[in-house]
Amino acid sequence: DAEITQSPRHKITETGRQVTLACHQTWNHNNMFWYRQDLGHGLRLIHYSYGVQDTNKGEVSDGYSVSRSNTEDLPLTLESAASSQTSVYFCASSAQGYSGELFFGEGSRLTVL
Amino acid sequence: GQQVMQIPQYQHVQEGEDFTTYCNSSTTLSNIQWYKQRPGGHPVFLIQLVKRGEVKKQKRLTFQFGEAKKNSSLHITATQTTDVGTYFCAGKRSNDYKLSFGAGTTVTVRA
Repeated sequence: DAEITQSPRHKITETGRQVTLACHQTWNHNNMFWYRQDLGHGLRLIHYSYGVQDTNKGEVSDGYSVSRSNTEDLPLTLESAASSQTSVYFCASSAQGYSGELFFGEGSRLTVL
Repeated sequence: GQQVMQIPQYQHVQEGEDFTTYCNSSTTLSNIQWYKQRPGGHPVFLIQLVKRGEVKKQKRLTFQFGEAKKNSSLHITATQTTDVGTYFCAGKRSNDYKLSFGAGTTVTVRA
C-alpha cells in the first residue's frame, strides 16, 4: 500500500544545531507540504513543493528550508535550531490537481533545548 | 493572506448530545475540507465540499458549505466517545494547491 513516512518520529536537539526531518511518500504525488502544529495555532504551512525542483515558502518559513530532488522526498532542514521551533511537524502530500485531499505522515516531534 | 477562523476552540459534550463547529474564511474559497485528528495522531481527511450550499452527510456527521463559499460547519449528532479529537477545517482558493487550516475544535466527551 502507498504511504507517507516521516523520520525521526522524536528528536531532541540543542539550540544552534542543524536538524533535518525526512519525509518520504510512495503515492507518487507531485504536491508535498510541511506543516508545524502548535497548541492554539492549528497547522501552519512552512514550505511546499508542486514538483521536482520546485519549492515555495509558506506562512512560517523563516529558519527552515526544503529541497525536492525527486518525487518521493521532501526533507525539511532547520538551519540553526531555536527553542521556538520546538513543535510537532507533519509532512503531507496530495495528488496532482487542485482538489486533492492531503495525506499526512505520522508526525515528528522535535524538542530544541 | 487568507485566514480561516474556527470556533469554538474547545467543545465539551455530554455523550449523546449534538454539537456544531464553525469555520469562517476572510476570502471566497474554491473548496473546503475537514480533517479529524485523534489524540496523539495525525490529521485524517473526512470530506471535501465544493459547491455553494452543499450539504454532505457521513453517518452522524453533517457538513455544510455556505452560499457565499466563505463559511462551513460540521454538526455531529448523538456524540459518542469515538468522536473525541480535534476537527480542522481547511480552505483552498481557486487555482492553488495550498490549504489554510483553522486552529481546530478540540472535542471531549463526558460519558
